[in-house]
Amino acid sequence: GAVVSQHPSWVICKSGTSVKIECRSLDFQATTMFWYRQFPKQSLMLMATSNEGSKATYEQGVEKDKFLINHASLTLSTLTVTSAHPEDSSFYICSARDLRRQGSTDTQYFGPGTRLTVL
Amino acid sequence: GESVGLHLPTLSVQEGDNSIINCAYSNSASDYFIWYKQESGKGPQFIIDIRSNMDKRQGQRVTVLLNKTVKHLSLQIAATQPGDSAVYFCAENNFGNEKLTFGTGTRLTIIP
Repeated sequence: GAVVSQHPSWVICKSGTSVKIECRSLDFQATTMFWYRQFPKQSLMLMATSNEGSKATYEQGVEKDKFLINHASLTLSTLTVTSAHPEDSSFYICSARDLRRQGSTDTQYFGPGTRLTVL
Repeated sequence: GESVGLHLPTLSVQEGDNSIINCAYSNSASDYFIWYKQESGKGPQFIIDIRSNMDKRQGQRVTVLLNKTVKHLSLQIAATQPGDSAVYFCAENNFGNEKLTFGTGTRLTIIP
């Protein structure tokens, strides 16, 4: 099946620093990728929709200048948490849609997640 | 706003028994529903989906039932195994909308 990877799987950083998280579709192309945030014992909350070659679409309440998204190719989207603070500590998960199967949402494949801890 | 929710946050089931996880949704325009399984520290894993023109769909050991009248979705897992222990989320969307809305999740624990 389609595989989505994330790197790093976990990261610890100091408050005020920036962290970049990569999301890759390994064996398929994805024009659309999604970034989610999940706090402990809570559900996934969509942060933004990343579109290849264009600006990301952010959900209400998500600061676009703090969570920078770049989708430079059909297999890679990056999320950069700028000036991270302890409240940004969370589990960040990406998903990708298979370009070949547009129109079917079950083709949204999830990555393994990245655990971010900000000290 | 619209939301997808679950009736029970936790469920414990004896190994070998069947389990039923429920989900209520409020968006009457939703026409596509998915169940995901999430193990600790991992991303969601697709289990089964169903479209609004169906009321039942079966997979391997899993069955999803959809009752559009009361906006209720359920996931039945037959002959549960220890590996079924996880958090289960329902998600929904409209077919023309790429975004998924996730429910709050139910933690299923299989008792050996």
